[in-house]
Amino acid sequence: KQEVTQIPAALSVPEGENLVLNCSFTDSAIYNLQWFRQDPGKGLTSLLLIQSSQREQTSGRLNASLDKSSGRSTLYIAASQPGDSATYLCAVRGGNQAGTALIFGKGTTLSVSS
Amino acid sequence: GAGVSQSPSNKVTEKGKDVELRCDPISGHTALYWYRQSLGQGLEFLIYFQGNSAPDKSGLPSDRFSAERTGGSVSTLTIQRTQQEDSAVYLCASSLTPLYTFGSGTRLTVV
Repeated sequence: KQEVTQIPAALSVPEGENLVLNCSFTDSAIYNLQWFRQDPGKGLTSLLLIQSSQREQTSGRLNASLDKSSGRSTLYIAASQPGDSATYLCAVRGGNQAGTALIFGKGTTLSVSS
Repeated sequence: GAGVSQSPSNKVTEKGKDVELRCDPISGHTALYWYRQSLGQGLEFLIYFQGNSAPDKSGLPSDRFSAERTGGSVSTLTIQRTQQEDSAVYLCASSLTPLYTFGSGTRLTVV
């Protein structure tokens, strides 16, 4: 059974710092991996999607990497801002087809102070 | 619509009552997912609909939980004889591509 773990559970940083959020998964046979952002009382917003054949994806100040063989992904946030404060969720889709459900980690709650 | 719509946004119910939660996916999205998010927990997969195929119900926690998707569009998640441990935020997502779009969820409180 696929399990997704995110470390740390919570992180507080001053504005401007670069930071790394970690995600690990137990079954390396994944179809893709996604990083989401969740703001309090809101739904999830997709940030980055990495297909199993890819090593990384970038969007603005965000960079996500994937090492499928070791079951790890990292989300790098450059020059953090107070608006980045949210919970960041990592999720993997298993198997070899697009139709399976995402399995989520419990998230890392980020607080960026000004 | 422009996004995934869920209703109600909040629901308080008495233990033992039945509740229905509704999800309106993005028009044209063939896949629809229900997840549950309990306090301090990650998102727990409940059920998945894909087109006209039989749904994947492997995540439903008990036979008190059921879901339907009518006409390949709107979905209803029904919880019978609610228990306090059912209190959570119930999130719906739809997708056409690998990217999911989530609704804002229904916060269910069982008292």
